[in-house]
Amino acid sequence: KAGVTQTPRYLIKTRGQQVTLSCSPISGHRSVSWYQQTPGQGLQFLFEYFSETQRNKGNFPGRFSGRQFSNSRSEMNVSTLELGDSALYLCASSLVALSTDTQYFGPGTRLTVL
Amino acid sequence: DQQVKQNSPSLSVQEGRISILNCDYTNSMFDYFLWYKKYPAEGPTFLISISSIKDKNEDGRFTVFLNKSAKHLSLHIVPSQPGDSAVYFCAARFSGSARQLTFGSGTQLTVLP
Repeated sequence: KAGVTQTPRYLIKTRGQQVTLSCSPISGHRSVSWYQQTPGQGLQFLFEYFSETQRNKGNFPGRFSGRQFSNSRSEMNVSTLELGDSALYLCASSLVALSTDTQYFGPGTRLTVL
Repeated sequence: DQQVKQNSPSLSVQEGRISILNCDYTNSMFDYFLWYKKYPAEGPTFLISISSIKDKNEDGRFTVFLNKSAKHLSLHIVPSQPGDSAVYFCAARFSGSARQLTFGSGTQLTVLP
């Protein structure tokens, strides 16, 4: 079974631009969560989507948004990029059949903001 | 406020010996815990998990212990191998429908040949 895939793997943008990252979950997985990893803050939860609805959101500004499609694929968008948005963005998918099922992560998208 | 803490940023162990990685949490509502291994520029790889109804879970060389009264968990790797060298994150969540993970800051494990 294919794992979680994320595209693109690397991205360079300049301040003020916007960016869209994509995540395809493991087949059959219905929940997709997004995380930001930075050296200073570690792994921080951004938001979770389930059945095309955002059901949980972390403490990030409104510039960070996302959506999920009917095939469970998800995108996250960051508008008006700032230098501090440079990070590894990780997506994780889970089955949501059991309350204790596991989340599996993709390889991440490395975003560099210049 | 860090709800999940890994107080040791690094740990070095000889090949073949036991590696013990520790994690503390403050939120008593957490009831499901996971350990992930991470290499640079890659996503975390799931290792092992434990529900709060258990105090131990074993999977091959990996064992996780949970002490609910102390709000402490540990990951034991026996025997340690050079390929185990990576950053290890412990994570916690609530066992309800939400899938939000709260991560510790990670411990860099180096297994010396």
